[in-house]
Amino acid sequence: SQTIHQWPATLVQPVGSPLSLECTVEGTSNPNLYWYRQAAGRGLQLLFYSVGIGQISSEVPQNLSASRPQDRQFILSSKKLLLSDSGFYLCAWRYTGISYEQYFGPGTRLTVT
Amino acid sequence: KNEVEQSPQNLTAQEGEFITINCSYSVGISALHWLQQHPGGGIVSLFMLSSGKKKHGRLIATINIQEKHSSLHITASHPRDSAVYICAASKTSYDKVIFGPGTSLSVIP
Repeated sequence: SQTIHQWPATLVQPVGSPLSLECTVEGTSNPNLYWYRQAAGRGLQLLFYSVGIGQISSEVPQNLSASRPQDRQFILSSKKLLLSDSGFYLCAWRYTGISYEQYFGPGTRLTVT
Repeated sequence: KNEVEQSPQNLTAQEGEFITINCSYSVGISALHWLQQHPGGGIVSLFMLSSGKKKHGRLIATINIQEKHSSLHITASHPRDSAVYICAASKTSYDKVIFGPGTSLSVIP
């Protein structure tokens, strides 16, 4: 069966510090991968998606970047965090092909102080 | 106007009540998703549908493609159903999902 992991589960970082959130998927190959953010009191927003190693599409220009160094690994990064980066970050995957169902990871709650 | 809208925004129900959450969308879609987000933040995919109706336990999801409308029904509601329910659409020819604002459901014993 397929499993998606995210870590850390919670993170408190000062403004201006770097960020690295990691997401890995097990039990499937060549998945489409997604990073979403949910800011306090707001809905989910797609940040990045990837259809393959090294292929990253950005939906919203901002302080964050994403990388996919391996087939089942997706990393969300920032060189300098802003207060507005606080939120709940979710990684998701889905099969390539005609099925559109996405499977979500447990999420990382980031607080920038 | 948001491409995916939900109503109501907040809903309080007594245990045992039949609950309906509505979703309307303005874009062409490949699939419509219903998700459940628990208070801790974790998200579970409940349904993905592109036509008709699906049922899982006490949950039923329907979609009317012509009217661009979907509903999520919960029969015999229980306090453990308390969560935020999110409707999301996969746009035709796009791989990405557009999320609705969510409906916060509270079921009171």
